[in-house]
Amino acid sequence: EVQLVQSGAEVKKPGESLKISCKGSGYRFTNYWIGWVRQMPGKGLERMGIIYPADSDTKYSPSFQGQVTISADKSINTAYLQWSSLKASDTAMYYCARHSSGDDPFDYWGQGTLVTVSS
Amino acid sequence: QSVLTQPPSVSGAPGQRVTISCTGSSSNIGAGYDVQWYQQLAGTAPKLLIYGNTNRPSGVPDRFSGSKSGTSASLAITGLQAEDEADYYCQSYDSSLSGSVFGGGTTLTVL
Repeated sequence: EVQLVQSGAEVKKPGESLKISCKGSGYRFTNYWIGWVRQMPGKGLERMGIIYPADSDTKYSPSFQGQVTISADKSINTAYLQWSSLKASDTAMYYCARHSSGDDPFDYWGQGTLVTVSS
Repeated sequence: QSVLTQPPSVSGAPGQRVTISCTGSSSNIGAGYDVQWYQQLAGTAPKLLIYGNTNRPSGVPDRFSGSKSGTSASLAITGLQAEDEADYYCQSYDSSLSGSVFGGGTTLTVL
C-alpha cells in the first residue's frame, strides 16, 4: 500500500527555522517525484515545488523560489520542506504528494503538516 | 488569481446533478495537457477523483465523471449525496509556468 506519512504539527515564532518531512512507503521512492502543496487557512491549493529523489532534481514554482528549500534523502525514502526564517504568512497546512511528471496527477497525498507561526 | 478558474461555489439537492467548470488557457488545458480533479472533505487531505480528463481511480463511484473541451474542463456529479459535500479542485500543467497549477477550488453544498 502506497503511503506518505508527514511529520507532526509545528508551532514556531517568526524568524525561526523549520524542516518538515514526508516519508514514502509501499512503492519505489526514487521512481516518482514528490510535490509540496500549501493550503493557507480557508484558501485553495498552491503547488510549491517538486523533487525527484533519485537525483534531487528540484523545480520550484515562481512564487516559492527562494522562500523555501525542498530536499530529499533517498536512503530513507524521505522528502523535506524547510524554511530558514519563518514569517507569520507561512502559517498554513502543507501537504506532500506523489507525482509522476508533467501533467500527471498527484495520486497519493500525505496527511498534511500544520505549521503555525506566531509571536 | 488562479491560472485555472473555477466557480467559488455550487449547490444542489440530494439526487440532483451538478457540474463544476474549470477554465484555462492556451498554455494549459488548451495546449492539450491533462486535467485532474481532487476532492477535499472538510479537515482532510485532497484525494484524486479524476485523472487524465475522464478516468476514475479505483474506488471512485461512477457518479463522478470528467470531460474536457478546448480550454475548459468539467466535473459532473450525478445522484448527489450528502457525503459529496466538499471542496473540489481542478489541476493541469502550464507550459508558461513550467509546472502544475491548481484551480481556485469550488465548494459544493448539498442542500
